[in-house]
Amino acid sequence: GAGVSQSPSNKVTEKGKDVELRCDPISGHTALYWYRQSLGQGLEFLIYFQGNSAPDKSGLPSDRFSAERTGGSVSTLTIQRTQQEDSAVYLCASSLGQGGTEAFFGQGTRLTVV
Amino acid sequence: GESVGLHLPTLSVQEGDNSIINCAYSNSASDYFIWYKQESGKGPQFIIDIRSNMDKRQGQRVTVLLNKTVKHLSLQIAATQPGDSAVYFCAENINQKVTFGTGTKLQVIP
Repeated sequence: GAGVSQSPSNKVTEKGKDVELRCDPISGHTALYWYRQSLGQGLEFLIYFQGNSAPDKSGLPSDRFSAERTGGSVSTLTIQRTQQEDSAVYLCASSLGQGGTEAFFGQGTRLTVV
Repeated sequence: GESVGLHLPTLSVQEGDNSIINCAYSNSASDYFIWYKQESGKGPQFIIDIRSNMDKRQGQRVTVLLNKTVKHLSLQIAATQPGDSAVYFCAENINQKVTFGTGTKLQVIP
């Protein structure tokens, strides 16, 4: 596709369940970011992947959160034992990395934990 | 401007006036600075960027100013329109990693 694609666009889950959020970055983009955004709030950095380097996980809020990027392309953000405070929009972005300044965002996944 | 935590400060501007959105940064090693616009229900979109060796860059109705002495970045929007209402994020690119500021909500009063 032409842009960053995220799925699902909306997810409602019960408290305590695990969820997986998917991000398909733009082809050829080596950098991939995950952010979380609560309603009316700013962007909270979660994790950053750059090529084959070890990911920067410094933004993950707890060990219930993890992310993978397989084959340098698709990424999955997993939240285990979801809590109500996990409810937010999860945004993925990708960029060219080397020499590229612009990060392109997906439309996000709106997660609601009930 | 800057905010504590992730709560968004709000700037209210009359339609037709100029808007100035400010951002402070701390890392003098930043290579690029970027402004993004996020409309309600959408992901952030690139507006304009500026290299660290420049102090001014102009786009269509927007100007970004960089003051490296005080580590300050601003986005100026000329003749603000209702469609400019959005959240604006500054971001810095350091060693290929883009880091976002907390954002400012621009409210255009018709």
